[in-house]
Amino acid sequence: EPEVTQTPSHQVTQMGQEVILRCVPISNHLYFYWYRQILGQKVEFLVSFYNNEISEKSEIFDDQFSVERPDGSNFTLKIRSTKLEDSAMYFCASRFSGSPSTDTQYFGPGTRLTVL
Amino acid sequence: AQKITQTQPGMFVQEKEAVTLDCTYDTSDPSYGLFWYKQPSSGEMIFLIYQGSYDQQNATEGRYSLNFQKARKSANLVISASQLGDSAMYFCAMREASSGGGADGLTFGKGTHLIIQP
Repeated sequence: EPEVTQTPSHQVTQMGQEVILRCVPISNHLYFYWYRQILGQKVEFLVSFYNNEISEKSEIFDDQFSVERPDGSNFTLKIRSTKLEDSAMYFCASRFSGSPSTDTQYFGPGTRLTVL
Repeated sequence: AQKITQTQPGMFVQEKEAVTLDCTYDTSDPSYGLFWYKQPSSGEMIFLIYQGSYDQQNATEGRYSLNFQKARKSANLVISASQLGDSAMYFCAMREASSGGGADGLTFGKGTHLIIQP
């Protein structure tokens, strides 16, 4: 069964460093998402991406964040200058198409980012 | 105001009993979707079940069913014959169709931590 994959599973970085989180969505999916979950809290939407551009972003997704689909398979989230409060689990998700209210988003296993 | 409210932070249930996890939502959008995800201690988010706002029947997927009461804006998850492996966090989420072009994200509740006891 196809699934969303994410690398690395755990990333440790120093405050102020740049990190790139990688995702490979399900191959025939067209919509891509990043979410984050601070430890013990709810999952929060960051950004959605379709047709090689951002469709929507939340207020969390400020100028230090960027997303890219560099090739036909990868989808990346870059945090330019990490802060302590960026420590969280980051989930990638993808969706095929169809009505946005009906089509299921499938999540990857997550990347745990720890900023020291 | 919270868009998704899960009022049960934690629940303990005996194995083989049925369990209902509560979820209420708030939207003025006539077209929306409701989802339940399971997050075991390993951290991944596993899709369980979906209910569309226009669906006439309650959704079912194996041991999972969704008790959808549209007028009350509730979408409770029912797990029948609970198993030890059902112990996990459970999140209710909503997607509103009209907000932003069709590709935007889910709004999650705070989750319910379900523990199945032998």
